[in-house]
Amino acid sequence: GNSVTQMEGPVTLSEEAFLTINCTYTATGYPSLFWYVQYPGEGLQLLLKATKADDKGSNKGFEATYRKETTSFHLEKGSVQVSDSAVYFCALTGGRGSTLGRLYFGRGTQLTVWP
Amino acid sequence: DAGITQSPRHKVTETGTPVTLRCHQTENHRYMYWYRQDPGHGLRLIHYSYGVKDTDKGEVSDGYSVSRSKTEDFLLTLESATSSQTSVYFCAISQAQTDRGYEQYFGPGTRLTVT
Repeated sequence: GNSVTQMEGPVTLSEEAFLTINCTYTATGYPSLFWYVQYPGEGLQLLLKATKADDKGSNKGFEATYRKETTSFHLEKGSVQVSDSAVYFCALTGGRGSTLGRLYFGRGTQLTVWP
Repeated sequence: DAGITQSPRHKVTETGTPVTLRCHQTENHRYMYWYRQDPGHGLRLIHYSYGVKDTDKGEVSDGYSVSRSKTEDFLLTLESATSSQTSVYFCAISQAQTDRGYEQYFGPGTRLTVT
């Protein structure tokens, strides 16, 4: 079946540090991959996406590359800010046998950035 | 921001009582989804709709029912609430199938506590 495994948190960094949050997936077929971000007390917002192998999604300084050979979609940012503190979710859709349009989410990784 | 509202935003109810949560959109999107968010589980799909009166079950549908009589409204009903249904509930919408790259937009969530 389809599933997403992401790095356990919480992750605590100092401002301007480099961020990596690991995400690997299990799916057959050709899934699309997403990173969503949830700020405190809010719903989820799409951060970036990639719809085919070797695509790189990027937004607000965050990047992730769809690696089919390693079934990974790791999130990176070169210099984090306090305002990046949030919960980050990796997700996929479109794997073979998946429910119409359904997103499969990882458990989420809490990021806290200190000034 | 996508025009999605959820009501109520917070609710406390007693075990055994019926509860209805409402999701309202102003985007005229065809697809609507209900997820629940619990610590350690990420988001899990409860039910979804692919058109007026067209609904189907997700992975955690037991104890929940849904209705969609108008494009803009998607109702989630707990017929007889249990403590295991204490959670944060998110509605999402998308214009077309997410596996074709269409984004899911999330509402602000409803925090439900069953005592």
